[in-house]
Amino acid sequence: EVQVLESGGGLVQPGGSLRLSCAASGFTFSSYAMSWVRQAPGKGLEWVSSISNSGGITKYADSVKGRFTISRDNSKNTVNLQMNSLRAEDTAVYYCAVRGYSYSFDYWGQGILVTVSS
Amino acid sequence: EIVLTQSPGTLSLSPGERATLSCRASQSVSSNYLAWYQQKPGQAPRLLIYGASSRATGIPDRFSGSGSGTDFTLTISRLEPEDFAVYYCQQYGSSSYTFGQGTKLEIK
Repeated sequence: EVQVLESGGGLVQPGGSLRLSCAASGFTFSSYAMSWVRQAPGKGLEWVSSISNSGGITKYADSVKGRFTISRDNSKNTVNLQMNSLRAEDTAVYYCAVRGYSYSFDYWGQGILVTVSS
Repeated sequence: EIVLTQSPGTLSLSPGERATLSCRASQSVSSNYLAWYQQKPGQAPRLLIYGASSRATGIPDRFSGSGSGTDFTLTISRLEPEDFAVYYCQQYGSSSYTFGQGTKLEIK
């Protein structure tokens, strides 16, 4: 059974930093790209970032480019999202997702809340 | 960036009825890279359809996807009580992913 579990969320002040982690199991982690998708309170889904199976290719939404960094450790089956220079508009539930071969998000974690507020 | 527009915003139907949800793209989308998700309150989204028409693992056959180019459709042939939720379409193109704004399927 595929399991995806996020951690590291919480309350942070504007301009601050936070590091989200995602632990995955139940599949061959090193064979799949991984992604982060967020959802602001009461809003729709927004793709944030993706990383290839090897970690060699990373992509970011324009809204986070230059502020967020995605990374992975295939030896630990984990993916991280380092978030710097946080803004109020980054407040959202952040989901870690397994990106399938058809560029869909096949499995999702339960999500972790990040609140940026003073 | 490809913009996906879903319609209607809210769809009110009764259990047993047929639901037709639309997703229109601002430019042509590869059918290989069009997906649909279901999200219930307080839960993560769940993949229903990938590649425009392929059902994900464990998805009942009352859910079907169709379309190509700029117009895609999710059809639920006979609504069950557990199908009332928000549905999103999603595409991949030009190294970016976008979602539609969602259609809320509510009980009439």
